[in-house]
Amino acid sequence: DAGVTQSPTHLIKTRGQQVTLRCSPKSGHDTVSWYQQALGQGPQFIFQYYEEEERQRGNFPDRFSGHQFPNYSSELYVNALLLGDSALYLCASSLGGDFYEQFFGPGTRLTVL
Amino acid sequence: QKEVEQNSGPLSVPEGAIASLNCTYSDRGSQSFFWYRQYSGKSPELIMFIYSNGDKEDGRFTAQLNKASQYVSLLIRDSQPSDSATYLCAVENFGNEKLTFGTGTRLTIIP
Repeated sequence: DAGVTQSPTHLIKTRGQQVTLRCSPKSGHDTVSWYQQALGQGPQFIFQYYEEEERQRGNFPDRFSGHQFPNYSSELYVNALLLGDSALYLCASSLGGDFYEQFFGPGTRLTVL
Repeated sequence: QKEVEQNSGPLSVPEGAIASLNCTYSDRGSQSFFWYRQYSGKSPELIMFIYSNGDKEDGRFTAQLNKASQYVSLLIRDSQPSDSATYLCAVENFGNEKLTFGTGTRLTIIP
């Protein structure tokens, strides 16, 4: 049973560029949440996708957007990258958005130069 | 005031002793509380959750919740070197459908 997978593992971009991060949820899960974790900080909730809709959003600018596909996989898009966007981006999946059984993927380390 | 506060540590505990990790939260509407463990360079892993006042035990781990004091803690009994990690407290508010994390407490178990 595959867990949550994310790609790519690492990514280096320059300021102003855009980036696409990918997430496949754990088998049987239908909800994907995205988090940003800066060095030395706890994860910060970006948004959650359920039934291909953004259900809840944290305090992130519109430069951060996402999509969920019919197979429940999800992508996170970040436009006009800033140095401050450098972080570990975590995807977590659950069933019906239930945080009691939320599993995190290994993350994508994004470095913005 | 931060929504979820934790002492960043590091907290050093001798092997075999009890490690006590604390977390306070500001929103009285908070409903569910989670403890995650994160090893260096890895993603968070759910240890346990609690939503009722009192204690909840799972193996060597005990979560304690006091909603009146807006305080949640995690006790680790018989601490092992493999327990050395950062422990993250997370809070879910009723109907909010999102988790708010603290900055985490770095725990080191000394052999």
